[in-house]
Amino acid sequence: GENVEQHPSTLSVQEGDSAVIKCTYSDSASNYFPWYKQELGKGPQLIIDIRSNVGEKKDQRIAVTLNKTAKHFSLHITETQPEDSAVYFCAASIGSNYQLIWGAGTKLIIKP
Amino acid sequence: GAGVSQTPSNKVTEKGKYVELRCDPISGHTALYWYRQSLGQGPEFLIYFQGTGAADDSGLPNDRFFAVRPEGSVSTLKIQRTERGDSAVYLCASSPIGQGDYGYTFGSGTRLTVV
Repeated sequence: GENVEQHPSTLSVQEGDSAVIKCTYSDSASNYFPWYKQELGKGPQLIIDIRSNVGEKKDQRIAVTLNKTAKHFSLHITETQPEDSAVYFCAASIGSNYQLIWGAGTKLIIKP
Repeated sequence: GAGVSQTPSNKVTEKGKYVELRCDPISGHTALYWYRQSLGQGPEFLIYFQGTGAADDSGLPNDRFFAVRPEGSVSTLKIQRTERGDSAVYLCASSPIGQGDYGYTFGSGTRLTVV
């Protein structure tokens, strides 16, 4: 069946450095790719998303890139801050777009 | 309301018991989703409502699980004869229309522990 693979499972970076999280997906019909941030005890929160007709999208310190040919998409966080510490999930739409299939998550640790 | 509200936030129940988990979506959101999240994993789709009807319940693991949304707003996820493997965080999300690409808003979840 369809799946989304996410790497790395844990990422530790120095405060101020950049962080990159990568995902691959299997369903060539997927056309919507959101990224969610989940803090302890809370539900996932949408931080940025990208659609298949766009290769890159940026929002302040966060950017997402999409390579549809290779079925890869990545999250880039620049100038990391302590409040960026959380678990980040990538996801891809399947079916009629109302359903998302999720990666296993990346625990991002920002070292002071 | 301002966000998606889920109650209770925590539920501990004995194996074999029946439980109900409640979700209050954002006012006016017609689409409502239930997901289940096990420790260290991403959420897994359970069921999707468009209005009052379950448009897709293909993610429900078995017939012990059932969900309703009688008036197109509040939804209840019902689990009969709970098993220890049902322990997880149950997440509810809503969106303005039935297209996931408008971005879900999730609640904080109900942590279900079956002992």
